[in-house]
Amino acid sequence: GDSVTQMEGPVTLSEEAFLTINCTYTATGYPSLFWYVQYPGEGLQLLLKATKADDKGSNKGFEATYRKETTSFHLEKGSVQVSDSAVYFCALSPTGNQFYFGTGTSLTVIP
Amino acid sequence: EAGVAQSPRYKIIEKRQSVAFWCNPISGHATLYWYQQILGQGPKLLIQFQNNGVVDDSQLPKDRFSAERLKGVDSTLKIQPAKLEDSAVYLCASSLGTSKNIQYFGAGTRLSVL
Repeated sequence: GDSVTQMEGPVTLSEEAFLTINCTYTATGYPSLFWYVQYPGEGLQLLLKATKADDKGSNKGFEATYRKETTSFHLEKGSVQVSDSAVYFCALSPTGNQFYFGTGTSLTVIP
Repeated sequence: EAGVAQSPRYKIIEKRQSVAFWCNPISGHATLYWYQQILGQGPKLLIQFQNNGVVDDSQLPKDRFSAERLKGVDSTLKIQPAKLEDSAVYLCASSLGTSKNIQYFGAGTRLSVL
């Protein structure tokens, strides 16, 4: 069935370091791919999305490219800030109405 | 635009008691989802409504969990009786219900079963 596998955490980085969180997926057809972020005590918020192969989603300095050949959607940011500390979830939607989430990767950025 | 509202934010109960959670989706959103998020895991879909009809409840433990969405707007999720393993955050989300759409999440209800 459809599923998402993302890199396990926790991840701890110094401020201004480069971030990569890996995400690979299994799906039939052409799903939409998402990254959601969850700050402490809050619900999930959409960070970025891509709906077809080679699309690049971007927001707040974060980027992810939909790679069909490697079934991946890795999240990257060139220079992280303390305020980026949160849990990041990769997700896919095969139909637009069903969503499958990864287990989440906790990021802590230290000054 | 108001977001997805959930209440209560926190609930502590003893096992075998009953509990109910409430969700008010974004106005105009046809699709409503309830997720269970156990500590350290990603959200797991419990039930999905399209307007007031159930689209998917395959992962809902129907012997103890129930949900309804009367009039296709607000929804309630009930657990009766609760077990220790039901301790989790219960997230409600809504979307327009069209293809390639985006889910918007509420802040969740954190349930502790003692």
